Amino acid sequence: QKEVEQDPGPLSVPEGAIVSLNCTYSNSAFQYFMWYRQYSRKGPELLMYTYSSGNKEDGRFTAQVDKSSKYISLFIRDSQPSDSATYLCAMSARGGSQGNLIFGKGTKLSVKP
Amino acid sequence: GAVVSQHPSWVICKSGTSVKIECRSLDFQATTMFWYRQFPKQSLMLMATSNEGSKATYEQGVEKDKFLINHASLTLSTLTVTSAHPEDSSFYICSARALGYTGAYNEQFFGPGTRLTVL
Repeated sequence: QKEVEQDPGPLSVPEGAIVSLNCTYSNSAFQYFMWYRQYSRKGPELLMYTYSSGNKEDGRFTAQVDKSSKYISLFIRDSQPSDSATYLCAMSARGGSQGNLIFGKGTKLSVKP
Repeated sequence: GAVVSQHPSWVICKSGTSVKIECRSLDFQATTMFWYRQFPKQSLMLMATSNEGSKATYEQGVEKDKFLINHASLTLSTLTVTSAHPEDSSFYICSARALGYTGAYNEQFFGPGTRLTVL
């Protein structure tokens, strides 16, 4: 079993839909959870960062972490065509400079106008 | 701010040749740079971590003599793929952590990646 599992999609939704992206993981030591967005031919950019369990909201984006289920989610409300990108989850067991990031494969999202 | 560039963005080379990829932090100084590799439909996999002025730390299974990393300044790290073979064809992406960063998590700014194809 891979440390981080993420459905690669592709996922296609109409504009305005609520999008749910998910990752599961096996390492119970993970404490830091991140979502990155990667546009074509660009590097990943950090969208959300969460420590331990709980929810975090930033505009149209909400990140959820359920450590008991080893499951994290990213919700996008009122999705826009500009949200079309690949979304990568990443996590680490330790913080700061010690926390190597373990990535999921990424989910390719397409939001149709 | 926090822009990382890579050059070249794509390269095609013959088997047995060496290829150098540059990673630059354009508007900040980076004590630490990371090199990742991504095969099609696979995760980003950390290859090595380099700190300015010291030897890189390679992840298990990554040949340090094949993937030479030089981090000569606070804004530049290079990855040289020596004696490249078709199985080295991949997407190589670097990231950088800013000098003086002491945040809770491993904040990294990513470059746009380099597509390497070895014929």
